This record gives sequence, structure tokens and C-alpha cells, in this order.
Amino acid sequence: AAGVIQSPRHLIKEKRETATLKCYPIPRHDTVYWYQQGPGQDPQFLISFYEKMQSDKGSIPDRFSAQQFSDYHSELNMSSLELGDSALYFCASSLGRRGVLGGYTFGSGTRLTVV
Amino acid sequence: GQQLNQSPQSMFIQEGEDVSMNCTSSSIFNTWLWYKQEPGEGPVLLIALYKAGELTSNGRLTAQFGITRKDSFLNISASIPSDVGIYFCAGRQGGSEKLVFGKGTKLTVNP
Repeated sequence: AAGVIQSPRHLIKEKRETATLKCYPIPRHDTVYWYQQGPGQDPQFLISFYEKMQSDKGSIPDRFSAQQFSDYHSELNMSSLELGDSALYFCASSLGRRGVLGGYTFGSGTRLTVV
Repeated sequence: GQQLNQSPQSMFIQEGEDVSMNCTSSSIFNTWLWYKQEPGEGPVLLIALYKAGELTSNGRLTAQFGITRKDSFLNISASIPSDVGIYFCAGRQGGSEKLVFGKGTKLTVNP
């Protein structure tokens, strides 16, 4: 079965650079969520989109922005990168809001390293 | 913000033993989910619970949604080496899209 696809898997950037992470949800899933997981930490919610509109917002820095496109894929744009942005970034998708129609499926993540 | 207290933080067990871990909160949650995560990979959904009191099994795994809506447990029976990983509970409150995660339980199974 198709899963949530994230690209790239690994990304190395320098401080103050920008990065774009991409997420392709499971076919027919209309809701996308972004999470950040620091080393040894639990995932922290950043932002979510339902039918291409922002549906909830968590602890996402102002330097970050995201959107969901007409084909339901989503991109997380990160600017003025800081060392503390180094983390695993996960995308999850669900059919229907809040995962009520089968839960949230996570991708394998993008490991961002800022040097 | 909302917090989920997950325990134990880590477990070292022998193959064949049963395992139990739980999550508690001072707040009510409408959904409880249990995930397993292996190094460098995304969390994999094990069990989803949507109703208070619900008891659901998935093979050797059993999870329950507490009747007070403030807790959930996960049991693993007859553990095997491939059960090794970090298990996270996650909850969703009414009106919110986000999942709140516990700090995780790191499980080590000795053959």
C-alpha cells in the first residue's frame, strides 16, 4: 500500500540558509500534518492543512511557512535556518480531519542538519 | 499546554515476557493512539482508540482507552526481539487537529 512520501530523506544546510521539505500524502488523504522531532524528544506539532487550507497551528516559528497544493502535497519552507532547527521533520496524513477515519499515517521523515 | 505522562521511560525485558506501559493526563482526550518508532524512521501506528472504555487488540498488542478519557495503556504479550523500539502514546483533544505525544517508552528485549 502507498505510504506518505517525504523528500528529501536527508538535508544539510548552513546557518541562515533556506530549506524546503516536501510531503506527498497517501492517495485520497485530504489532511496533512507537520511535526518536528528533536534528538531524543517526542514529536511536536507544527501545522496542519485540510483541503488546502490551514486547519491548525502549533509551535511553528515565524521563519517557517507551509502550504498544501491542489494535488494535496504539502511543502514546509524554512528560512534563516538556525542550529536549533536540526531535527527530524515528519509529515503525516489522514482521511478526514483529526484522523477520525483511520488515524494518522506518518512518513519516514526528513533529517535536517544545520551546520 | 497539554501533557501526556508516559511510563515507564524504559524497559529491559527477556524474550517471552509481557510488557505494559501507560499514559495519563490531567486533561480529557477524544482519541488515543499508540505508535512504535525505530531509529531514523517515522512513527508507525499500532492501535487507534476512539471511544472511552474501548479495548482493542492487534495481534500480540492490546490497548485500552480509559473510561475517564484521561489515560490509556498498551500491553504487549510474549515479547520478541523485533518488538525493540520506542513506543509513543499520542492523544487528540476535541476541536484540535494536533496530536500530543508522550515522552516515549524505550523497550529493549533480550533474546
